[in-house]
Amino acid sequence: AQKVTQAQTEISVVEKEDVTLDCVYETRDTTYYLFWYKQPPSGELVFLIRRNSFDEQNEISGRYSWNFQKSTSSFNFTITASQVVDSAVYFCALSDLTDSWGKLQFGAGTQVVVTP
Amino acid sequence: ETGVTQTPRHLVMGMTNKKSLKCEQHLGHNAMYWYKQSAKKPLELMFVYSLEERVENNSVPSRFSPECPNSSHLFLHLHTLQPEDSALYLCASSQDRGFGNTIYFGEGSWLTVV
Repeated sequence: AQKVTQAQTEISVVEKEDVTLDCVYETRDTTYYLFWYKQPPSGELVFLIRRNSFDEQNEISGRYSWNFQKSTSSFNFTITASQVVDSAVYFCALSDLTDSWGKLQFGAGTQVVVTP
Repeated sequence: ETGVTQTPRHLVMGMTNKKSLKCEQHLGHNAMYWYKQSAKKPLELMFVYSLEERVENNSVPSRFSPECPNSSHLFLHLHTLQPEDSALYLCASSQDRGFGNTIYFGEGSWLTVV
């Protein structure tokens, strides 16, 4: 069963628009970690954020912000005032202990295309 | 400069060739990983090494052979590959294996098997 769902396959926006990427996860654990990664066309997966299940405060880093809601099992990611350099595939991932040693379970990714 | 470097970045090989992918991490981590990313497929974990010991092998065909000579270096030896093995191969590392550790990835090696 898929543990991390990123329902949006691709999102296209015009520069300066905001874009929100959805991430819904599934776990029976009370302690778990959530991550977001960015993968530009070059291929490298760039770590963006790690959040543990006990910290529900929203986080902002520059133009990036994250909204963690345990009640809906969601960890959504917003890019404010998007730029062309934000064009990439974004992955949400979960680390819990329900099946193994806590290895990362990745979602399918959301392709973001920002046009000038 | 990325903390995890991979060479080569691009590799084209015939089905009868033998080649190797190399990975080096400069982060002082104890765990290293190989992932495979094929077009239109999710990331697949292939191998995990913790303190130079292989701790996971996710049913990877024997034509892929990993080697971890020390905690900073990881190789993926390739032989008699198939065209369906064409993919992006990502090396990664984390402080330790397991729960909650942040995994840091390299830039990947784009492999094409002809």
